[in-house]
Amino acid sequence: QVQLQQWGAGLLKPSETLSLTCAVYGGSFNGYYWTWVRQPPGKGLEWIGESNYRGSTNYNPSLKSRVSISVDTSKNQFSLKMNSVTAADTGVYYCASSGTTVELDSWGQGTLVTVSS
Amino acid sequence: EIVMTQSPLSLPVTPGESASISCRSSQSLLHSNGYNYLTWYLQKPGQSPQLLIYSGSNRASGVPDRFSGSGSGTDFALNITRVEAEDVGVYYCMQGLQTPLTFGQGTKVEIK
Repeated sequence: QVQLQQWGAGLLKPSETLSLTCAVYGGSFNGYYWTWVRQPPGKGLEWIGESNYRGSTNYNPSLKSRVSISVDTSKNQFSLKMNSVTAADTGVYYCASSGTTVELDSWGQGTLVTVSS
Repeated sequence: EIVMTQSPLSLPVTPGESASISCRSSQSLLHSNGYNYLTWYLQKPGQSPQLLIYSGSNRASGVPDRFSGSGSGTDFALNITRVEAEDVGVYYCMQGLQTPLTFGQGTKVEIK
């Protein structure tokens, strides 16, 4: 089981770009889909998208036009970028690893992103 | 997209008693490989979610045997026997059969 550590800017203004990175420790970087999930304040979980080590991606259609997930195999890291953020994008963002039967078996510590003018 | 529906949304429990959470999907989660692509998570207060059950009924590493998952197709359940104070939090089911992956609304378990 891998361990994930994430970081990125926590305070953004409307229309700016959200940028988060997640580092993978232990296990094989090639063996998982690398996933981002978010949680608005006081609400449930929303899947944002995923990428494998080759850069093959899947995105939530509701966010697809604004989101990009990339991987850096040389650093065992993957990243999330979301452009044109609004207050509705405020919440905690988690990175996670997705296993063989699409179980999210490891999670990062979460990053609170607040969008406010 | 596949819609996941949990019930109840709130579940007060007495320590030592059992609890059950239902999760239903709008489409069958049974893959042609024979596995149900249904997972359960617990999000304790102030923490990241943690995996409890995968493939509908397999406990994740380190999960106490008080937790069990059952069901197939569109109807699933998470059962907790002998509930302990540390089990409080919000429980989510999630389907992994097709993208976008989708979660249930969450069931908040609290101690009476």
